[in-house]
Amino acid sequence: AQTVTQSQPEMSVQEAETVTLSCTYDTSESDYYLFWYKQPPSRQMILVIRQEAYKQQNATENRFSVNFQKAAKSFSLKISDSQLGDAAMYFCAYRGYGGSQGNLIFGKGTKLSVKP
Amino acid sequence: NAGVTQTPKFQVLKTGQSMTLQCAQDMNHEYMSWYRQDPGMGLRLIHYSVGAGITDQGEVPNGYNVSRSTTEDFPLRLLSAAPSQTSVYFCASSYGLTSGAYEQYFGPGTRLTVT
Repeated sequence: AQTVTQSQPEMSVQEAETVTLSCTYDTSESDYYLFWYKQPPSRQMILVIRQEAYKQQNATENRFSVNFQKAAKSFSLKISDSQLGDAAMYFCAYRGYGGSQGNLIFGKGTKLSVKP
Repeated sequence: NAGVTQTPKFQVLKTGQSMTLQCAQDMNHEYMSWYRQDPGMGLRLIHYSVGAGITDQGEVPNGYNVSRSTTEDFPLRLLSAAPSQTSVYFCASSYGLTSGAYEQYFGPGTRLTVT
């Protein structure tokens, strides 16, 4: 079974600095998708960024980028120029192909604090 | 589009009571699912559906029932509420995986407390 591990329960960053959140996963599949979701205090789950495993190029969305290392099964999120609004829980998630493989498997989350 | 809607937003139940959490989406998504979120546990899959009339169990299905009679609706039923079911419940939907669109859209969540 696939698993997703986030080893940092909490992280802190100074405003305008850069922070990297770690995520590792385990799968025997070669094709899959990886996601980072943000959950602010409002509780809404917001998609931050996604990566298709067949793409070697790392995904980027404005200040958010990933470091996808397929062989190492690592998928870290880098937040540049951190802002107060980035404070939230961040969840790494894996999704495979077809049937039950299409379900999202989440890590336990990393709580990010941003200091002014 | 309203996206994924959930009702109610908050609910308090007594042990042994039953209730239904409602979930609806207006994006014609084939795939719908229910997750529960507990502190320090992330989100765990309860049940999911790949289309109308088709449902299956996820990681933590005990104590919950689902049905999918239409594409739009995917209600979650608690048969006899227990304190262990105190949690935040999320409904999510997406296109099927053959569509090339992989994002799951989440509802706003329901905070359920069982006393």
